[in-house]
Amino acid sequence: AQSVTQLGSHVSVSEGALVLLRCNYSSSVPPYLFWYVQYPNQGLQLLLKYTSAATLVKGINGFEAEFKKSETSFHLTKPSAHMSDAAEYFCAVRRESNYQLIWGAGTKLIIKP
Amino acid sequence: DAGITQSPRHKVTETGTPVTLRCHQTENHRYMYWYRQDPGHGLRLIHYSYGVKDTDKGEVSDGYSVSRSKTEDFLLTLESATSSQTSVYFCAISEAGGSGNTIYFGEGSWLTVV
Repeated sequence: AQSVTQLGSHVSVSEGALVLLRCNYSSSVPPYLFWYVQYPNQGLQLLLKYTSAATLVKGINGFEAEFKKSETSFHLTKPSAHMSDAAEYFCAVRRESNYQLIWGAGTKLIIKP
Repeated sequence: DAGITQSPRHKVTETGTPVTLRCHQTENHRYMYWYRQDPGHGLRLIHYSYGVKDTDKGEVSDGYSVSRSKTEDFLLTLESATSSQTSVYFCAISEAGGSGNTIYFGEGSWLTVV
């Protein structure tokens, strides 16, 4: 069965510091993987997606993620955090049986001034 | 921003009453989805539609029904609301069934069942 695990329900970093949000997946087939961001009281919007092309995927707002098959990971990073990055971030994997997305529980990113 | 409108945006209702949430899109996308979002659970798919009058169940469909009589409208009905259905409901759309295509989300509908 396919699944997604996000490590840490809350991550706190200082402004200007590296952001690292962890996502591990389980899949018996090559996965399609996604990161979405949700700002307070809003819907989700796509940050980036991996669809079996380049393993390093660049997204919006300076975020990127690297697909590592050996570690079954798809961690999200940003070199320097901004206050505007405070939001909740969701990792998802495409379910192969019906192409719907399986979502992680989310990680709330807190930026300290 | 994707043209997705959810209504109502906020609703308080009593246990046992029927409730209908509406999702309207202007993008002419084939797929439409209803999710619920609860703390610690991420997003869970309730129902989705892959065309007019074509719908299928998601992982948490009990207590919910849907209808899609027009491409642009997808209705979610709680036949008899319960407190466990207090949640934030998101409508989403995509051109294809998630095969790498982007899913676009509406702004959400906050439902409280008292």
